[in-house]
Amino acid sequence: QQQVKQSPQSLIVQKGGISIINCAYENTAFDYFPWYQQFPGKGPALLIAIRPDVSEKKEGRFTISFNKSAKQFSLHIMDSQPGDSATYFCAASNEGDDKIIFGKGTRLHILP
Amino acid sequence: DTEVTQTPKHLVMGMTNKKSLKCEQHMGHRAMYWYKQKAKKPPELMFVYSYEKLSINESVPSRFSPECPNSSLLNLHLHALQPEDSALYLCASSRLQYTGELFFGEGSRLTVL
Repeated sequence: QQQVKQSPQSLIVQKGGISIINCAYENTAFDYFPWYQQFPGKGPALLIAIRPDVSEKKEGRFTISFNKSAKQFSLHIMDSQPGDSATYFCAASNEGDDKIIFGKGTRLHILP
Repeated sequence: DTEVTQTPKHLVMGMTNKKSLKCEQHMGHRAMYWYKQKAKKPPELMFVYSYEKLSINESVPSRFSPECPNSSLLNLHLHALQPEDSALYLCASSRLQYTGELFFGEGSRLTVL
């Protein structure tokens, strides 16, 4: 029940295309859903996050779509660029719980 | 200043050595974390300090010993490690323990020979 299932494991997208990464969770107590971006040799960095009271959040080319009834959320990267090539982790947490739960990660490669 | 600074960036040690990893943040965050990350895996929580007190130990072997000297500093003391402990060790901080917004350092790449 504490798992966050992330797919796909890897993704190749043409430059200018839309990259979509999906995550699903079981614990309905989760109330914060961040996405982290990690470049090789670097630590993860918070990219964008959403709370379940909204269905979508957009920051520049990055959008989170959230479906509370389906217990799913996804990251959309519009106009994908080679510089977006990285590993993306979805995550979930519950204020009052003791830790954040990470998905297994998606390795994204944008073809130039 | 929104940085978490970790030193050293790379560390090679033998199984009988004693070494330490260091982490520093100046964002006024009251929670600090140690994570371990293996290649192609998500970060795995090791320890959490909240208000300079150890809050969570995820059943980490005693050869890893955390220390929080003050609210800005976090250390991880290493002793008698095994080759399977080779990994990227990440420090993170957050405003409070129960917020999901973590600020990670760049990590210390540890190799145990």
